[in-house]
Amino acid sequence: DAGVIQSPRHEVTEMGQEVTLRCKPISGHDYLFWYRQTMMRGLELLIYFNNNVPIDDSGMPEDRFSAKMPNASFSTLKIQPSEPRDSAVYFCASSRSLAGARETQYFGPGTRLLVL
Amino acid sequence: AQTVTQSQPEMSVQEAETVTLSCTYDTSESNYYLFWYKQPPSRQMILVIRQEAYKQQNATENRFSVNFQKAAKSFSLKISDSQLGDTAMYFCAFATGTASKLTFGTGTRLQVTL
Repeated sequence: DAGVIQSPRHEVTEMGQEVTLRCKPISGHDYLFWYRQTMMRGLELLIYFNNNVPIDDSGMPEDRFSAKMPNASFSTLKIQPSEPRDSAVYFCASSRSLAGARETQYFGPGTRLLVL
Repeated sequence: AQTVTQSQPEMSVQEAETVTLSCTYDTSESNYYLFWYKQPPSRQMILVIRQEAYKQQNATENRFSVNFQKAAKSFSLKISDSQLGDTAMYFCAFATGTASKLTFGTGTRLQVTL
């Protein structure tokens, strides 16, 4: 399997612009997670989906952030409008669940976002 | 709420030596999972090892092993025969058996030197 795929790998944009990050989970995984990593706050869970349905979005910082998962093989994280403080590395991860067992999360390579 | 604490911001070890990274956690749950992830300069998050809390036996993956002390809520990572490629940030993470999300520690930066 190719692993979790994220695009773009790097994004530089100006404040106020819309940013869309994309993720393709590992085939067969029914959980998808979006994380943000910054020096100040470390790794934070933003939102996660189970079977394409958002389960917990309590980590989404504000209304400028939105995430969708239209099907089992694709998810987007959108920031509109973007601000310099959104600069971070955004990771997508996926996992599967089996009868209550907690499966390992596999991470994508991340998208490094810089908002000027 | 669960918390994960890594008290060593940075560590250094010579090649071929052994190093132990510390992690403590706090939870009231009885069913949970613990992980160590490695983040090299490429920034990719790579799973190193995982431990189920209900298992008494410490997990081992080649040169990597853990010392899981459930009563003390401690989960340290031992790297034997350290290699230059082990240079990375190491994150301890926690997940309960009923929730899917991971809670991460702040990380320990490990430098392996010649």
